[in-house]
Amino acid sequence: GQQLNQSPQSMFIQEGEDVSMNCTSSSIFNTWLWYKQEPGEGPVLLIALYKAGELTSNGRLTAQFGITRKDSFLNISASIPSDVGIYFCAGDNYGQNFVFGPGTRLSVLP
Amino acid sequence: DAGVTQSPTHLIKTRGQQVTLRCSPISGHKSVSWYQQVLGQGPQFIFQYYEKEERGRGNFPDRFSARQFPNYSSELNVNALLLGDSALYLCASSVMTGGTEAFFGQGTRLTVV
Repeated sequence: GQQLNQSPQSMFIQEGEDVSMNCTSSSIFNTWLWYKQEPGEGPVLLIALYKAGELTSNGRLTAQFGITRKDSFLNISASIPSDVGIYFCAGDNYGQNFVFGPGTRLSVLP
Repeated sequence: DAGVTQSPTHLIKTRGQQVTLRCSPISGHKSVSWYQQVLGQGPQFIFQYYEKEERGRGNFPDRFSARQFPNYSSELNVNALLLGDSALYLCASSVMTGGTEAFFGQGTRLTVV
């Protein structure tokens, strides 16, 4: 079945640094979603991407839908302590569901 | 506006028992999907319902079943619980099917002992 890979698996950064993470697949997707999940909570939708090449921002977050439709990137600028969490990408290919990656765990050091 | 609500938030069951989890979608959303999230992994798709009909099923055994009611709320049932069913069960709400944005509830933490 379809699988997504996320890198890095985890990252430790200093407060104020910029963060980049990506998501890749062997399959083409028509929609990419990025979520953040904190312990004991459900995933919270950050950004939705619907078109190849699309670049979308949400505050300090910017995500891009890769032109091959097999990848997506999420950048966080000027990280703050509340950015800590697990970031998941999810892809949909007009199916009934989203396929999730294994997540990137972000830790922000003060 | 209320988001996706799930109940209960936590549940402890014994092996072999049955469990029912409930979900109320965002007002105006007609699609509900269920996901299982095992610790340390991303959510795995179980079911999707739209307009009270099953529109998709993931790779889960027949012990898992679900339904959607006329008010678009949904129930997930799991029979003959196994230790491996211990997970966070997430409900996602969408306006419709087909790749539209999905909004998750806080989940139900199920522990099977």
